[in-house]
Amino acid sequence: EDQVTQSPEALRLQEGESSSLNCSYTVSGLRGLFWYRQDPGKGPEFLFTLYSAGEEKEKERLKATLTKKESFLHITAPKPEDSATYLCAVLVYGQNFVFGPGTRLSVLP
Amino acid sequence: ETGVTQSPTHLIKTRGQQVTLRCSSQSGHNTVSWYQQALGQGPQFIFQYYREEENGRGNFPPRFSGLQFPNYSSELNVNALELDDSALYLCASSLGRERETQYFGPGTRLLVL
Repeated sequence: EDQVTQSPEALRLQEGESSSLNCSYTVSGLRGLFWYRQDPGKGPEFLFTLYSAGEEKEKERLKATLTKKESFLHITAPKPEDSATYLCAVLVYGQNFVFGPGTRLSVLP
Repeated sequence: ETGVTQSPTHLIKTRGQQVTLRCSSQSGHNTVSWYQQALGQGPQFIFQYYREEENGRGNFPPRFSGLQFPNYSSELNVNALELDDSALYLCASSLGRERETQYFGPGTRLLVL
């Protein structure tokens, strides 16, 4: 069965304190890995798509990387406005998106 | 370019009732997917429609059904509501069904009493 796990479940950082979020997956055939940001009570907002191991994408303070078994979302010098739940999802051959449970990030001023 | 919109934003129903949720896809997108997101969990895939045909279904009972219209808007219908159906229902649209990024609407919050 295809599975996606994320760690940690929750993370509290001080403003400017860099860290990484992990997304591990066990799937039969990966077509793509997606990162989304979700604010409370709102729909997920697309951040990145990664298709192959070794690929990296960057956007402002965020950088996503992909290996054959996991992806990392690195957050450099975060600000309070980066506080949100970060979701990863995998797109599997012949199936649809499988989401992880998310990591709740709080950045304190 | 308009984004994905959903209606209503909030809804309260009682157990056993039926509900219809609506979604308008992003301009130019022909694929719509529906997800259920319980509090504190990731979205769970319900089903996908591509050019008015169902194109994949998750582990949800038949009382969850849907439609896609020629303009690619979509409906999610849930019959015989149960308390556990209380959740945020998300619609996502994409251009095609192959390796395409899905863009989400704001969701409909359903509460079943």
